[in-house]
This record gives sequence, C-alpha cells and structure tokens, in this order.
Amino acid sequence: AQSVTQLGSHVSVSEGALVLLRCNYSSSVPPYLFWYVQYPNQGLQLLLKYTSAATLVKGINGFEAEFKKSETSFHLTKPSAHMSDAAEYFCAVSALGNMLTFGGGTRLMVKP
Amino acid sequence: DAEITQSPRHKITETGRQVTLACHQTWNHNNMFWYRQDLGHGLRLIHYSYGVQDTNKGEVSDGYSVSRSNTEDLPLTLESAASSQTSVYFCASSDGTGASYEQYFGPGTRLTVT
Repeated sequence: AQSVTQLGSHVSVSEGALVLLRCNYSSSVPPYLFWYVQYPNQGLQLLLKYTSAATLVKGINGFEAEFKKSETSFHLTKPSAHMSDAAEYFCAVSALGNMLTFGGGTRLMVKP
Repeated sequence: DAEITQSPRHKITETGRQVTLACHQTWNHNNMFWYRQDLGHGLRLIHYSYGVQDTNKGEVSDGYSVSRSNTEDLPLTLESAASSQTSVYFCASSDGTGASYEQYFGPGTRLTVT
C-alpha cells in the first residue's frame, strides 16, 4: 500500500520569504514522487518529479524538492515566494507503476 | 500540441438523471484516469483504464461507469446522479512507460446535482 501525508492544509508566507511545503509518504517499494500545482479553476500541472536519479530535484518556477529515504519525506521548497505562487499544491506517490496516490493538498497563500 | 480536454466545463443536473462527462486526449496515451476533487479529500480515483476495452474500479467507483472504445476517449457516466456526486471531476492520462508515470490533467468539469 502507498499513502501520502501533507502537513498543513494551509500555509501562509510573506512575499520574498522561504516556501516550505511538507510531504511524507509511505510505500513498500522504492517510490516515484511528484509535486503538482493547481491554480484556481484549473487542472493540476506537474511541478517536479523524483524517479530515483538525483535526490535533489529541480522543477519549474524555481521550486525544488529533496527525496530523503530515511525520513520518507519529499518536501517542496522555494527560496523566495512570489505572489504568483499562491495556489494549491499536491504531493503524490507512485509505488505501483501507473497509479498515483495524492495527499490532501496544501493551499499556499502569499502576503504582500 | 498534445492536450487533454474535458466537456462540459460546467454542468447542472437534477437528482436521478444520467450524466456523461467527456474526456479526450491527443497524447496517444494508453492510460486514462478519472478523479473527483472535494474539499478535505484531495483527489480520489473513480475509474481508470490501461487501454482499449480495459476498465477498472478505483477508490470511489459506486454510481459511476466508464467505457474505453478507443485510445483517445474515456467518458464518465453517472447512472443516476445524486447530490453526493456534486464535485469537480478531473480526467488524466499517462503513457505508462518509461521512468516516471507522470499524469497529465484536463481542466476539470464542475458538476452540480440539485
């Protein structure tokens, strides 16, 4: 079985501050891990993915995530938040090939 | 450019009516998925297909059906709409090969059952 937990359904940061969105996973086999972003009234867009190559993964819009096997974590970070980063972010795990299991999502709010 | 489209984007229907939501992808992907998104529940898998004539039940399949007659389309049917099926529905596809299994999502259909 596989599962994903995103700590914090809502995260608020000031513009220019560090963004840290937390994701912990459970998987019985080495997983593939994903972060998706959803802007209002839109579908999900892939931010980045971990596929067992480098543990530090860089994505679009300045985001990156680090795979830490010992902590079963895949936290998403961005050094400096921008107003346009306000959205909902989903972490997902695939340990069974084609199936993705999603976390509950974290809504990021960016204050001016 | 390849894409995945859903129609309609918004739908209001009455309890008990049959409703079909369309999903069309031009990625030529073998795998297609239907999810529903509700506050507090994230995305939950309804049905999925790994190819033509293949369909499988997901986590929340009761009251829904799908059929796959070609590679491009996976319509989702609500046999008898219920208020509990008011939700935003997303279709996704993936090629199921290679190293990543990432899924590409459509823009969603907002369904209201009154």
